[in-house]
Amino acid sequence: NAGVTQTPKFQVLKTGQSMTLQCAQDMNHEYMSWYRQDPGMGLRLIHYSVGAGITDQGEVPNGYNVSRSTTEDFPLRLLSAAPSQTSVYFCASSYWDRGTDTQYFGPGTRLTVL
Amino acid sequence: DAKTTQPNSMESNEEEPVHLPCNHSTISGTDYIHWYRQLPSQGPEYVIHGLTSNVNNRMASLAIAEDRKSSTLILHRATLRDAAVYYCILSMEYGNKLVFGAGTILRVKS
Repeated sequence: NAGVTQTPKFQVLKTGQSMTLQCAQDMNHEYMSWYRQDPGMGLRLIHYSVGAGITDQGEVPNGYNVSRSTTEDFPLRLLSAAPSQTSVYFCASSYWDRGTDTQYFGPGTRLTVL
Repeated sequence: DAKTTQPNSMESNEEEPVHLPCNHSTISGTDYIHWYRQLPSQGPEYVIHGLTSNVNNRMASLAIAEDRKSSTLILHRATLRDAAVYYCILSMEYGNKLVFGAGTILRVKS
């Protein structure tokens, strides 16, 4: 299994540009989520999905859109990039284990918005 | 969401045990205690989780206080590769959102 994969690894955008961060998992997990991590901080939840066709907002959803058309893929779209969105973005998928879920994280995408 | 409190940083010698504490005095009866760690420039990695009883796996042990208001992650023999930020997180049901705090930076000396 490749686990959770993210592309690209690095990206530089100009203010106002849009782009999509890709996330895929091959573990058949129903639950997937996107987090952002600013320097020296913990991760904050952006959006999550409990299954294909179902998405919901997390703690910091403004400026981001998501969709979940398949179990495997969960792309994150930046609508109009702003410098405040400079961060490292992590995608995660999870499975049910002993009463709760265990999350697997991807390697991250480092995004810089100029 | 119930909150956790962890020390900002800890230091350990290689090959020695490490006890990482976590306080969660407002924990509810359905909250699970999760530990994740994040190595430099990597995504977080699951370590262990438990509800009431102590838990062991190949990576670590989790000791949970009888009143569940605190827990301790135990690395039995620290290696340089264990240097990371360790996060103690409470979560409820399946698919619940993980709320990450600042975690504990563990430094391992050779």
